[in-house]
Amino acid sequence: AQKVTQAQTEISVVEKEDVTLDCVYETRDTTYYLFWYKQPPSGELVFLIRRNSFDEQNEISGRYSWNFQKSTSSFNFTITASQVVDSAVYFCALSETGGSTLGRLYFGRGTQLTVWP
Amino acid sequence: KAGVTQTPRYLIKTRGQQVTLSCSPISGHRSVSWYQQTPGQGLQFLFEYFSETQRNKGNFPGRFSGRQFSNSRSEMNVSTLELGDSALYLCASSLGGQGVIGYTFGSGTRLTVV
Repeated sequence: AQKVTQAQTEISVVEKEDVTLDCVYETRDTTYYLFWYKQPPSGELVFLIRRNSFDEQNEISGRYSWNFQKSTSSFNFTITASQVVDSAVYFCALSETGGSTLGRLYFGRGTQLTVWP
Repeated sequence: KAGVTQTPRYLIKTRGQQVTLSCSPISGHRSVSWYQQTPGQGLQFLFEYFSETQRNKGNFPGRFSGRQFSNSRSEMNVSTLELGDSALYLCASSLGGQGVIGYTFGSGTRLTVV
C-alpha cells in the first residue's frame, strides 16, 4: 500500500498565484516525521520543511506554509505569490521511527509544478 | 559545511557490465541511504547504512549491493547491468538515520545503460 499519496500529478499556475500541494500519508507509528522536498531539473532533492507527528502547529516561512492535520493524515504545502523559479517537482515524504523502517523515507510520486510568467 | 557529494555525476555503461557509485555524507553524519529514481517507479529506497552496518534494505534484486566505510562514505554497486537500471541514483546523508534532524541529498548520479 502506498504510504504517501500525492494525488496531483501536475499543476500549472500563473506567476503570483497561490498554490497548494496536497499530501496524504499512512502510518501506524505514533512518532513520525513528514517532509517536503523540491527537485529542480538539475535532479538534487532540496529540503524545504519538516514536521514531527507531535507538532500540529501550522507555520509560515516566507512564501511557504504548511497545514498538518493528523485527523485526516494530511500534510499540505502552500506557496504564496508563486514565482517562475518555483517550477519544479515537489515530493512529500514520510519517515517512520519503527525499527524495521529505520533510515528510509517513503516518497509520494511527486507533483510537477509549473509557474508561467 | 560541505554537502553530500556523489560521484560520478553521469555514467554510461553497457548492459552486463557492473558499476560502482560513491557517496560522501556530510561530516559527522553516520547514516547514508540510497534511492533509485525512474519515471515509471518514482523514488524507491535501496538500502541504508549506519556505522558500516546495513540496517534496512528495499525490494531490489541481489545485483544491487552497498557498503559503508569507517569514514561513513558509502558505495553502491550494481552488477550485471540491465537496461532497466538506467536511473538517477540519489544518496541521502543523515545524522542518525531518523527524521529528527532530517535527510540531506546529494546531486545524484545519472546512470544510463545501453
